[in-house]
Amino acid sequence: DIQMTQSPSSLSASIGDRITITCQASQDITRYLNWYQQKPGKAPHLLMYEASNLETGVPSRFSGSGTGTDFTLTISTLQPEDIGTYYCQQYENFPLTFGGGTKVEIK
Amino acid sequence: QVQLVESGGGMVRPGGSLTLPCAASGFTFTMHAFHWVRQAPGKGLEWVAVVSYEGGNKYYADSVKGRFTISRDNFKNTVSLQMNSLRPEDTAVYFCARDKLRGITGEFTLDYWGQGTLVTVSS
Repeated sequence: DIQMTQSPSSLSASIGDRITITCQASQDITRYLNWYQQKPGKAPHLLMYEASNLETGVPSRFSGSGTGTDFTLTISTLQPEDIGTYYCQQYENFPLTFGGGTKVEIK
Repeated sequence: QVQLVESGGGMVRPGGSLTLPCAASGFTFTMHAFHWVRQAPGKGLEWVAVVSYEGGNKYYADSVKGRFTISRDNFKNTVSLQMNSLRPEDTAVYFCARDKLRGITGEFTLDYWGQGTLVTVSS
């Protein structure tokens, strides 16, 4: 199975800050990586697909990059509604696997 | 608009069975694959299974293979997860999720999710 390792596991930042979450795959997954946001008590929500494609309706302050084994999700200007847990997911191979999550809080 | 509504959750004894239906509406059902993903209390996301648009291709996580069966009814616009031989470690919220694509190209992106249904396995 492909292991997905996210860092940090949690972060606290101020409104307006730029934050970056990283996701590392245990083997080359080319660009077969998605990012999801899960707000407390809610279902996950797709943010980015194929590493860097912004899902329709997602604010442009979100961006994704990377290829191979190393990927990043960046929020350029943190907003109050961005609190939640962020997960990466690979689809290079079955089983589909998710990272352990990064919990984002407002300082 | 796209809606996915799971039901069928509840408490069941170890070794028991449960079936989770997911009713879909607001889009062309037969254009998409569907997944089940679960989340144990306070934990992260675990992919469980996927069924392709016509039901011909199904894949499972090793943790549920041989015990769970995913299926779909393209006339009733429903996806189901039949769960047998349940274990305490199967306790989780189970989410039904739509794939962007038909599930035959090797690309799997979950673009809409239901709100989930809680399954508790306990004696």
